Amino acid sequence: EVQMVESGGGLVQPGGSLRLSCAASGFTFSSYEMNWVRQAPGKGLEWVSYISSSGSTIYYADSVKGRFTISRDNAKNSLYLQMNSLRAEDTAVYYCARTYNWDHDAFDIWGQGTMVTVSS
Amino acid sequence: QSVLTQPPSVSGAPGQRVTISCTGSSSNIGAGYDVHWYQQLPGTAPKLLIYDNNNRPSGVPDRFSGSKSGTSASLAITGLQAEDEADYYCQSSDSSLSGWVFGGGTKLTVL
Repeated sequence: EVQMVESGGGLVQPGGSLRLSCAASGFTFSSYEMNWVRQAPGKGLEWVSYISSSGSTIYYADSVKGRFTISRDNAKNSLYLQMNSLRAEDTAVYYCARTYNWDHDAFDIWGQGTMVTVSS
Repeated sequence: QSVLTQPPSVSGAPGQRVTISCTGSSSNIGAGYDVHWYQQLPGTAPKLLIYDNNNRPSGVPDRFSGSKSGTSASLAITGLQAEDEADYYCQSSDSSLSGWVFGGGTKLTVL
């Protein structure tokens, strides 16, 4: 079964750091581009970051640029998001999402999400 | 304020047809980028519903269809069912942002 499971969320103080993980299974992880998408409580979806299959190409939303770092370990079938200098507005459910393939940039598989709460 | 604009809510009776619009600009939909649609049932992760404007992934009923024209796109749902009650999001790429953008989401209520 194709699935992705996020972990690492929790409560953190403003200015703090957190590292999210996404464990993939059921598909050849190293062949797929990956993304992080977040959803603040009661709000819509916001794309956060993208990483190519090899990790050589990375993009960030302006709202997290310079504070968040996306990475992957293809040997461990895992995707990561290092979040530093966290702010209250970063409070959200964070989803990892797979890009369909090189020719179709839709996000076809999503994890169940992990909640990040930034509060003092 | 989302880059892609969707109506906050739509509603329809069982069996009816509803459409959800998604309006962008010359840097995203109007630039030729594909539009994708997602369905998010309450308390769950989003699910891909339509990709590349009008294609359905395996397992998505043909009651769901998509279209795109100019700087806008639409999702149509025919034969409305109670289980279709969910939030729906459009998505596209944006050249000015070097990334992907979502619409603000539309809550579908089945009356």
